[in-house]
Amino acid sequence: EDQVTQSPEALRLQEGESSSLNCSYTVSGLRGLFWYRQDPGKGPEFLFTLYSAGEEKEKERLKATLTKKESFLHITAPKPEDSATYLCAVHGSSNTGKLIFGQGTTLQVKP
Amino acid sequence: GAVVSQHPSWVICKSGTSVKIECRSLDFQATTMFWYRQFPKQSLMLMATSNEGSKATYEQGVEKDKFLINHASLTLSTLTVTSAHPEDSSFYICSAVTSGASYNEQFFGPGTRLTVL
Repeated sequence: EDQVTQSPEALRLQEGESSSLNCSYTVSGLRGLFWYRQDPGKGPEFLFTLYSAGEEKEKERLKATLTKKESFLHITAPKPEDSATYLCAVHGSSNTGKLIFGQGTTLQVKP
Repeated sequence: GAVVSQHPSWVICKSGTSVKIECRSLDFQATTMFWYRQFPKQSLMLMATSNEGSKATYEQGVEKDKFLINHASLTLSTLTVTSAHPEDSSFYICSAVTSGASYNEQFFGPGTRLTVL
């Protein structure tokens, strides 16, 4: 059974304090690993898709990396506007079209 | 970019009534739409997969007679919560996949907050 586990559940950072969010997964035949940002009361906003181990993608202060067992979302010098819940999801070969989501990491960046 | 809208953004209803939620792809055609439910401080749980012109596929544990899904066109899918009860109160989110694209390219709507009194 495909599974996604995110850690930590919650993270508080000071503005400018870099850190990483973890997404551990087990999936049969990874077709894609996704990172989304979700603000309270809103739908998920797409950030990145990673397809194979060793792949990295960057967007502003965010950088996503992927290994065969986990993915990291690195946040460099975060700002208060980066505060949100970050969701990780996988699409496996056994689940046509279905995304399996982790429980998310809620990030709070204090000024 | 691909935009997905939902209507209404929030709804409050009395127990026993039915509520319809619309999901629209505004600038693209979506052969497949997904419906998710999200309880407070929890992640998204897939309820059903909706394909245009065919019956929806429901996830295990989701009552198809309670959550009626109709994907009538390539730009519209509706979720009707029949005889709603307080335990159905949740955040309902849809996503859509563009025609011809891989299932990796899902675009999410803004969600609908349902509160059943």
